[in-house]
Amino acid sequence: EVHLLESGGDLVQPGGSLRLSCAASGFTVSTYAMSWVRQAPGKGLEWVSTISGSGVATYYAESVKGRFTISRDDSKNMLHLQMNSLRAEDTAIYYCAKDRYYDFWNGYSDYFDYWGQGTLVTVSS
Amino acid sequence: QSVLTQPPSVSGAPGQRVTISCTGSSSNIGAGYDVHWYQQLPGTAPKVLIYGNSNRPSGVPDRFSGSKSGTSASLAITGLQAEDEADYYCQSYDSNLSEGVFGGGTKLTVL
Repeated sequence: EVHLLESGGDLVQPGGSLRLSCAASGFTVSTYAMSWVRQAPGKGLEWVSTISGSGVATYYAESVKGRFTISRDDSKNMLHLQMNSLRAEDTAIYYCAKDRYYDFWNGYSDYFDYWGQGTLVTVSS
Repeated sequence: QSVLTQPPSVSGAPGQRVTISCTGSSSNIGAGYDVHWYQQLPGTAPKVLIYGNSNRPSGVPDRFSGSKSGTSASLAITGLQAEDEADYYCQSYDSNLSEGVFGGGTKLTVL
């Protein structure tokens, strides 16, 4: 059974950093693309970042490009999101999600077939 | 503001049929990218409801169906039940942005 468990969410001051982690079980993270999706309080879903199954290709939303870094630890079957220069607008629940395919939107399709329960990141002074 | 436009809310009585639209453009849905739909029950993580425009994962009732035409897609729910009350999101890819994109979400209220 596939299971995703996020951790690392916290209250952080503007300009600060935080590292989120996602422990995966029931599958191997290196065989699928993996993503982070966030949801600000009372708002809709926003795709944040994806790492391909190869681990070589990474993709970012414009809103986080240059500040966030997605990575993977295959030995621990984990996904990470390093978040720097945090802003108030980064406040959200961050979900770890497993992509259905190995590559990000290769072949004109990609979706998230499993989600974690989310971890809350609050950026405030 | 999302590049995929959904109505903020829809409602229907138990047993009725409702549809939720997802309107895009030539750089996303109209470019041939698949549309997927997610259901988010209150206080829970989203789950995939429809993938590849019209396919249901195992366990999703056949009361839920999806379609795509041109630059738009739709989610239809028949035989509305109280447990269907949730937020629904469409998802695709935009080639101009080079980003995965979600619609703004639609809140379904069962009257």
